[in-house]
Amino acid sequence: QTVVTQEPSFSVSPGGTVTLTCGLSSGSVSTSYYPSWYQQTPGQAPRTLIYSTNTRSSGVPDRFSGSILGNKAALTITGAQTDDESHYYCVLYMGSGISVFGGGTKLTVL
Amino acid sequence: EVQLLESGGGLVQPGGSLRVSCVASAFTFSTYGMSWVRQAPGKGLEWVSSISGSGGSTYYADSVKGRFTISRDNSKNTLYLQMNSLRAEDTAVYYCAKYKFSAAYYFDYWGQGTLVTVSS
Repeated sequence: QTVVTQEPSFSVSPGGTVTLTCGLSSGSVSTSYYPSWYQQTPGQAPRTLIYSTNTRSSGVPDRFSGSILGNKAALTITGAQTDDESHYYCVLYMGSGISVFGGGTKLTVL
Repeated sequence: EVQLLESGGGLVQPGGSLRVSCVASAFTFSTYGMSWVRQAPGKGLEWVSSISGSGGSTYYADSVKGRFTISRDNSKNTLYLQMNSLRAEDTAVYYCAKYKFSAAYYFDYWGQGTLVTVSS
């Protein structure tokens, strides 16, 4: 069974830069997995940030960017703000209509 | 503005059934895929099921295959999830999401969710 891996937690200082990653328990992530990223604050619905590796969803600030770094997908936040303190989830498309979420990363901004 | 409004959640006993619904507005419903994503209390997000715009293709996570059925009524702009043989581990907020299938494969709009609690 394929597991999508994310750092459980991360911390960044206001104004700093942080890169969250999304990997596979077996194998490398490529653009063929169409990585997407979602932000969720407690009690709220998820918000779509990035799709198809590096395309920002409508209205998403350009301080959020997506890429492939090595064998993982990555979400980079440049100039982190206190409002960015949230959970971040990646999703990989496995083919045949199947999508798999990572376990999520809790980002603290302090 | 795209809106997705879920309903139908509630308390159900283990082994019971429940159907949740999602009414969509402000986009051409029949031309887009749709999905259900759930979140157990204090846990992460889990993809549950997706359906094509026509309803002709459906997909399920292994955890719900054979117990849950996704469907849609394009004349009513409504997505459904019929849940049978419910278990305690199905307790979650169920989110409806608009889904882009081809050449992108991502959830682009989300509803606010409906809570399903499976307990005796």
